[in-house]
Amino acid sequence: EPEVTQTPSHQVTQMGQEVILRCVPISNHLYFYWYRQILGQKVEFLVSFYNNEISEKSEIFDDQFSVERPDGSNFTLKIRSTKLEDSAMYFCASKGQTNTEAFFGQGTRLTVV
Amino acid sequence: GDSVTQMEGPVTLSEEAFLTINCTYTATGYPSLFWYVQYPGEGLQLLLKATKADDKGSNKGFEATYRKETTSFHLEKGSVQVSDSAVYFCALRSSGNTGKLIFGQGTTLQVKP
Repeated sequence: EPEVTQTPSHQVTQMGQEVILRCVPISNHLYFYWYRQILGQKVEFLVSFYNNEISEKSEIFDDQFSVERPDGSNFTLKIRSTKLEDSAMYFCASKGQTNTEAFFGQGTRLTVV
Repeated sequence: GDSVTQMEGPVTLSEEAFLTINCTYTATGYPSLFWYVQYPGEGLQLLLKATKADDKGSNKGFEATYRKETTSFHLEKGSVQVSDSAVYFCALRSSGNTGKLIFGQGTTLQVKP
């Protein structure tokens, strides 16, 4: 069964460093998303991406964040200068043209120290 | 804006007990509604969905009915098992075309043998 794959599963980084979280969406999907879940809190939408551009972003997704689909298979989330409050589980998701539901990856736990 | 509210957890039940997790929503238009489940240490998995009023989603013994008149999508299961212990998230997909999901805060279910 096709699945969304995220790497790494856990990343520890120092405050101020750049991190790139990687995702391989399901191959024929067209809509891509990043969500985050701070420990013990709800899952929050960050950004959606369609047709090689951002289609919607939340207030959380400020200038420190960027997304890219560099090669037609990977979908990355970059945080330019990490802060302690960026520590969270980050989920990638993808959706096909005809699907109503999004399929989620296993998540990357980011710890900023 | 659109929002989802779930009952507070944690919910602790004995095996074979009846489960209800309440979910209500606020949305413009006609959202699709979902329940996602997060087992310990894992990502988000779609449990069931409903795309229009009076639809009933069902999977693995769980059911939820899309009630437009009460703006609710309560999750039920007649007889829970220890393996159902997880965090359950109610979510809606707003009627805009980006397909982003808005999640409730999650309800932790613990089933004891």
